[in-house]
Amino acid sequence: QVQLVQSGAEVTKPGASVKVSCKASGYTFTDYYIHWVRQAPGQGLEWMGWIHPNSGGTVYAQKFQGGVTMTRDTSISTAYMELSRLRSDDTAIYYCARVSWRGPFDYWGQGTLVTVSS
Amino acid sequence: EVVLTQSPGTLSLSLGERATLSCRASQSVSSSYLAWYQQKPGQAPRLLMYGASSRASGIPDRFSGSGSGTDFTLTISRLEPEDFAVYYCQQYGGSPYTFGQGTKLEIK
Repeated sequence: QVQLVQSGAEVTKPGASVKVSCKASGYTFTDYYIHWVRQAPGQGLEWMGWIHPNSGGTVYAQKFQGGVTMTRDTSISTAYMELSRLRSDDTAIYYCARVSWRGPFDYWGQGTLVTVSS
Repeated sequence: EVVLTQSPGTLSLSLGERATLSCRASQSVSSSYLAWYQQKPGQAPRLLMYGASSRASGIPDRFSGSGSGTDFTLTISRLEPEDFAVYYCQQYGGSPYTFGQGTKLEIK
């Protein structure tokens, strides 16, 4: 069965960086996009961008350009999202999701809580 | 950017009642690339509907979706206890992929 398993919760300081992983199983990793979505406490869903594991190509939401980097390691079917120059308002749960070409977000990781606090 | 506005913000209904959730887009959503997700506390969102009216795998038929262009609706025909959650619409026709702000469905 399709699974996306994310890395554990992180606590970090303002100005630092954080890297969240998303390990895929149950399907061919390189056939689907991986998107990243975040959710601040008590808030809605915010799309951050995507990576295509086959090519490594990325598209980032304008808000995150210059601050986010999405990468992948096809040998271990894992995607990564690194967010730099963290601020307190980056405190959120970060989700990865599997997406086919022009498709909906059909499988989601369990989420990774990133807390930014001095 | 396509802005999605969901209404109402909160919907209070009883078990067995019919729920109607609305999602309005600021511009036409191409080819009905409109999805609905359900999110329960402490859980990731779950895909319910895609293409505006197609149910995702395993979704019961009391859930239905309709609409086109700029106006979309999610209907739950008879509410079950497990249906009380937050529902989000999303357009996935192109970047940026935007979500509505959510409708909280609560037990009356």
